[in-house]
Amino acid sequence: AQSVTQLGSHVSVSEGALVLLRCNYSSSVPPYLFWYVQYPNQGLQLLLKYTSAATLVKGINGFEAEFKKSETSFHLTKPSAHMSDAAEYFCAFISSGSARQLTFGSGTQLTVLP
Amino acid sequence: DAGVIQSPRHEVTEMGQEVTLRCKPISGHDYLFWYRQTMMRGLELLIYFNNNVPIDDSGMPEDRFSAKMPNASFSTLKIQPSEPRDSAVYFCASSLGGGSTEAFFGQGTRLTVV
Repeated sequence: AQSVTQLGSHVSVSEGALVLLRCNYSSSVPPYLFWYVQYPNQGLQLLLKYTSAATLVKGINGFEAEFKKSETSFHLTKPSAHMSDAAEYFCAFISSGSARQLTFGSGTQLTVLP
Repeated sequence: DAGVIQSPRHEVTEMGQEVTLRCKPISGHDYLFWYRQTMMRGLELLIYFNNNVPIDDSGMPEDRFSAKMPNASFSTLKIQPSEPRDSAVYFCASSLGGGSTEAFFGQGTRLTVV
């Protein structure tokens, strides 16, 4: 079955440091891939998405992700972490050609240390 | 637009009682999704609708759960009878079109069954 795997349920970085959140997908056909963010007691908000138009995708709040087919990865990065980036981040996918099923990874809680 | 609106935000009920969660999608959106979020299982898709028609309800955990969408602007998720293990945050989301379009999430309903 197709899925996404997020490596690391908790990641801590210092303010100003690089943020790297990992996501790998398992699919013979690259799916549509997404990163969502969830702030405490809030719903999910789309950060960015990959739809095969470009392998490097830029999103909101300075985040970007690079689709690497050879590594089946879609890692999320941000050059310099802010305190306001502390949240839970979810990688998600929709299988190409399937019905409209958005399936989420298990999430990564990002902590930003002062 | 006010976004996806869910009510109530919090619900505490006793085991055995009926619980109804409500969702108003973004006007014009033709897909509506119900998700459940728990610490143990993460984000699970329960059911989704396209043009008010249920398309896939394979995620609905038991017959105690039912969902309806009587019109394009309203959906309900009902649990009858409720059990403590149903305690979770329930999210409604909507989107326009299929494929890779963004799903917009409501703020969720935190359900506690005691």
